[in-house]
Amino acid sequence: NAGVTQTPKFRILKIGQSMTLQCTQDMNHNYMYWYRQDPGMGLKLIYYSVGAGITDKGEVPNGYNVSRSTTEDFPLRLELAAPSQTSVYFCASSSTSGVGNIQYFGAGTRLSVL
Amino acid sequence: EDQVTQSPEALRLQEGESSSLNCSYTVSGLRGLFWYRQDPGKGPEFLFTLYSAGEEKEKERLKATLTKKESFLHITAPKPEDSATYLCAFLTGSARQLTFGSGTQLTVLP
Repeated sequence: NAGVTQTPKFRILKIGQSMTLQCTQDMNHNYMYWYRQDPGMGLKLIYYSVGAGITDKGEVPNGYNVSRSTTEDFPLRLELAAPSQTSVYFCASSSTSGVGNIQYFGAGTRLSVL
Repeated sequence: EDQVTQSPEALRLQEGESSSLNCSYTVSGLRGLFWYRQDPGKGPEFLFTLYSAGEEKEKERLKATLTKKESFLHITAPKPEDSATYLCAFLTGSARQLTFGSGTQLTVLP
C-alpha cells in the first residue's frame, strides 16, 4: 500500500529557477490537496482539486500552479522560485465515500530556495 | 473569521505523567474536528475525527473530546514513543479542506 507518494524528498533551488513537485496516490481518491508547512506553523492550503480537470486556489496560491490530468497525479509547479517559498510541501488525498473527510498525507518535499 | 488555536506550543512530560493538549476553535458551523500526529520528517497521520459536542474517541493512550468551543487530546500515562507534534484542524469548504492549528510539540522523557 503506497498511499500518497511525493517526489523529490529534498531539493535546493536557486532564486528564479523553476521546478515541479510530484504527487501521486493509488487509493482512487477524488480529492487532492497541496499544503506548505513553515517551521513551527500549521499547514496552509495552496491548491486543491476535486477531480481530474478541476482545480482551485487555497489560502496561499501565489507563486504556484497546479494541474490535474488524471485521478492519480496532482503536480505542483513553482515558477521563478523565491526565498519565501522555502518550506516543506505536503500532498494529501481524500475520498468522497466511505469514512469521508480523512486526508492521507505524503511524506513531504523539503525545499530550500537560496 | 474561522480560526483554530492550539496550546501549549510545546509540552515536556515524564513518562507516565498524564496531561492534555488544547485546541480552541471559532468556526461558524463545525463540520468536523480532526486530530493528526506528525513525527519529525514525516507527513501528518490521522488520529481522530469528532463531529459534535460531547463526542469522545479513544485510541490506546489517547482520548479526544469535543465541546462547542474546544477539543482536548488527553494523553494517559504517556510513553517516549508518544513524542510527536499533535495537530488539530477543522473541516471547511465545499472540497472538504482542512484548516490547521500550529500544533503542540510533545516530548515524553523516559
